[in-house]
Amino acid sequence: DIQMTQSPSSLSASVGDRVTITCRASQNIKNHLNWFQQRPGRAPELLVYAASSLQNGVPSRFSGSGAGTDFTLTISTLQPEDFATYYCLQSHSTPVWTFGQGTKVEI
Amino acid sequence: QVQLQESGPGLVKPSETLSLTCTVSGGSISTSSFYWGWIRQPPGKGLEWIGSIYYSGSTYYNSSLTSRVIISIDTSKNQISLNLSSVTAADTALYYCARQSFSAYARWVRWGQGTLVTVSS
Repeated sequence: DIQMTQSPSSLSASVGDRVTITCRASQNIKNHLNWFQQRPGRAPELLVYAASSLQNGVPSRFSGSGAGTDFTLTISTLQPEDFATYYCLQSHSTPVWTFGQGTKVEI
Repeated sequence: QVQLQESGPGLVKPSETLSLTCTVSGGSISTSSFYWGWIRQPPGKGLEWIGSIYYSGSTYYNSSLTSRVIISIDTSKNQISLNLSSVTAADTALYYCARQSFSAYARWVRWGQGTLVTVSS
């Protein structure tokens, strides 16, 4: 099974900050990496698919990068509505999915 | 637009079987383009993929749950079902059903709103 290691588990930031979250796969998953945002009480929402493609309607301050085993989600200028939990997901072995442990972005 | 809705008991006793149904509307589950899966999230914790099913009936399960999980599909009702046996408090979670792309890209993922299941006597 493919394992995903996400870091950090939480971070504190301020509005306007640049935030970076990383995810590492236990084997080469090409670009089959996705990023989700989850707000309290809500289902996860897809931000980035194929490692770097922005889902329709997602603000351009979000960006994804990486390939192979190492991936990054960057929020260029943190906005108040971005305080949430973020998860990476490998879909290389679809339909067998593996999520990262999550990163809680707090004020 | 495709919508998914989970339903089932919100309370299950330890050692019993958790049974949930996901009803899909706005599209057919009898499509070769998607898998239909279950994902759960214990309170305050992360997301865990439970398993998935294809319209043909092929199933795929999380290796940590495979001995207790059965996922089935009813194409006539446009529903998928989850049965998780011998539950314990560790199975208390928000259970989501989700549409998964057949390809390795999750662009077309859709989630239900989730249903909370508590395991308690």
